[in-house]
Amino acid sequence: GESVGLHLPTLSVQEGDNSIINCAYSNSASDYFIWYKQESGKGPQFIIDIRSNMDKRQGQRVTVLLNKTVKHLSLQIAATQPGDSAVYFCAEDQRGGGGFKTIFGAGTRLFVKA
Amino acid sequence: EAGVVQSPRYKIIEKKQPVAFWCNPISGHNTLYWYRQNLGQGPELLIRYENEEAVDDSQLPKDRFSAERLKGVDSTLKIQPAELGDSAVYLCASSFGESSGNTIYFGEGSWLTVV
Repeated sequence: GESVGLHLPTLSVQEGDNSIINCAYSNSASDYFIWYKQESGKGPQFIIDIRSNMDKRQGQRVTVLLNKTVKHLSLQIAATQPGDSAVYFCAEDQRGGGGFKTIFGAGTRLFVKA
Repeated sequence: EAGVVQSPRYKIIEKKQPVAFWCNPISGHNTLYWYRQNLGQGPELLIRYENEEAVDDSQLPKDRFSAERLKGVDSTLKIQPAELGDSAVYLCASSFGESSGNTIYFGEGSWLTVV
């Protein structure tokens, strides 16, 4: 079936550097995408979202880029901090079951080195 | 404002025993979700409620799993009997309205180990 996946399972960056986490999706009909952060022992936490009528959206230190041509999504974290260490999931909303279903990818673990 | 509350946080049971998880969503959120997350993987939807109605339970293994949300607020997820492969984190989440465009808020999860 259609799925959301990630290019890299782990990413290690130096504190203060910028991080880029990538994600590929296969359902060209999806029009809403979300990035979640999950710290150890906690549930996923919403970071930022983007609709398919946009190609870029910025938040506080985070930017999501959407390339619909190649079905690629990325999360950029500026000036990465130790508190950013977590697993990051991209997710897409697919229509089904009488509404929308959020489908999660497998996740990328981000390690921030001090 | 209180977030999504789940209990118990941790549960260890022997296979073939029953187990139940409880969830209290964020006040005012009419949509409630149960997800299962296996180690190293993303959450997978088990069931979604709109108020007290289960509108998507296509991924719920109905032979052993059941869920209810009788008054459209709290929800319970039950497994009976549990199998070794049921070891996972069971995440409850809620949103105001269906997910597309509405932020889903997750609880901290109930960690189940079946031995």
